[in-house]
Amino acid sequence: EAQVTQNPRYLITVTGKKLTVTCSQNMNHEYMSWYRQDPGLGLRQIYYSMNVEVTDKGDVPEGYKVSRKEKRNFPLILESPSPNQTSLYFCASSLRTSGEQFFGPGTRLTVL
Amino acid sequence: AQTVTQSQPEMSVQEAETVTLSCTYDTSENNYYLFWYKQPPSRQMILVIRQEAYKQQNATENRFSVNFQKAAKSFSLKISDSQLGDTAMYFCAFMFNAGNNRKLIWGLGTSLAVNP
Repeated sequence: EAQVTQNPRYLITVTGKKLTVTCSQNMNHEYMSWYRQDPGLGLRQIYYSMNVEVTDKGDVPEGYKVSRKEKRNFPLILESPSPNQTSLYFCASSLRTSGEQFFGPGTRLTVL
Repeated sequence: AQTVTQSQPEMSVQEAETVTLSCTYDTSENNYYLFWYKQPPSRQMILVIRQEAYKQQNATENRFSVNFQKAAKSFSLKISDSQLGDTAMYFCAFMFNAGNNRKLIWGLGTSLAVNP
């Protein structure tokens, strides 16, 4: 089944404890992206990647890191999480030549 | 500025009836895509329908159809024969290529309740 997977789906952590949210897609998509969704603010892009080893900042990159060592994986790293990073996070992917992005199931992160 | 406006924060419809969700957008881009995504209580983001801006014909996917008015920058979603499973938040979005980025601009959503 073609899909984007994210892990974990839910995470409660404390300020300053490094964490990684994994994202993997099995559709051979070149483009991958991370978003956060917050009430009243909609979805905002954190980082994106057009291909392996090619990543760039989105609209709200502060406090996040990403890497793209393999085409299928695009992990999101929070080196020192803070409470303002409490949010619902989505990973998405698409082909270079197509329009729509396919979304993972989301990761609900709470930073205490 | 690139913006998407969904003027109806909440809507409700009776099961089996038809409902239309409004969306307007502002962009100076000539080439872009338009989407409606559905987000049910599970929080999954599900593509409902897509429209390429260069196509004049309105997209249709089963019970879902759009009314795309490019000059007016309007992209409304019509849901026919509404079902209880259509209860969800609906987001309108448009996408354009900004360098290497596939930039998605999102509306704030319309919460749709389908009543039995």
